[in-house]
Amino acid sequence: AQKVTQAQTEISVVEKEDVTLDCVYETRDTTYYLFWYKQPPSGELVFLIRRNSFDEQNEISGRYSWNFQKSTSSFNFTITASQVVDSAVYFCALSEAQRDDKIIFGKGTRLHILP
Amino acid sequence: SQTIHQWPATLVQPVGSPLSLECTVEGTSNPNLYWYRQAAGRGLQLLFYSVGIGQISSEVPQNLSASRPQDRQFILSSKKLLLSDSGFYLCAWNIYGRTSGNTIYFGEGSWLTVV
Repeated sequence: AQKVTQAQTEISVVEKEDVTLDCVYETRDTTYYLFWYKQPPSGELVFLIRRNSFDEQNEISGRYSWNFQKSTSSFNFTITASQVVDSAVYFCALSEAQRDDKIIFGKGTRLHILP
Repeated sequence: SQTIHQWPATLVQPVGSPLSLECTVEGTSNPNLYWYRQAAGRGLQLLFYSVGIGQISSEVPQNLSASRPQDRQFILSSKKLLLSDSGFYLCAWNIYGRTSGNTIYFGEGSWLTVV
């Protein structure tokens, strides 16, 4: 069965520090997709990144980077030089590549960036 | 481009009153549609999902129901609200396939307070 675990419930760091949000997943499929979403205080979930199971290349987008490691079933998210605007709840999610499969979300990590 | 809208954005309803939240997707056809609920400070709970008109799968037995009268319209309803129905409701959509990677996109959300 699918499962996504975000063990960090809440994290607080001082602005400009780097912070890594952990995500561990479980799936029996060989083809699947992993996602990260950001939920700012306004509530709307914003899509950040998708990774498919065949592509283990790490990705960098500005201050954001993602480390996908199939060997440890992890898809961690790092924010470099954090800013107050990064304060939000971040969700990791998993989807197996079937037509009617659901997207399974982790419980989220609430990130506080302190000025 | 595709867009998703849901309404109303905020509502306060008395216990025992009916509920209707509506969601529409534009710019795509035959999407998968989802209703999620997020209680205060909690993760995302999948309530219903639909892979086509009239096809509804329920994840959690409760006093809520969903309908999909048209391809890009998804409605969440209740005949009698309970206090425990309070929360943030999110409609979402995705398209199955390797190109989209099953990426799910969310509406703006609806804040429901049952009093």
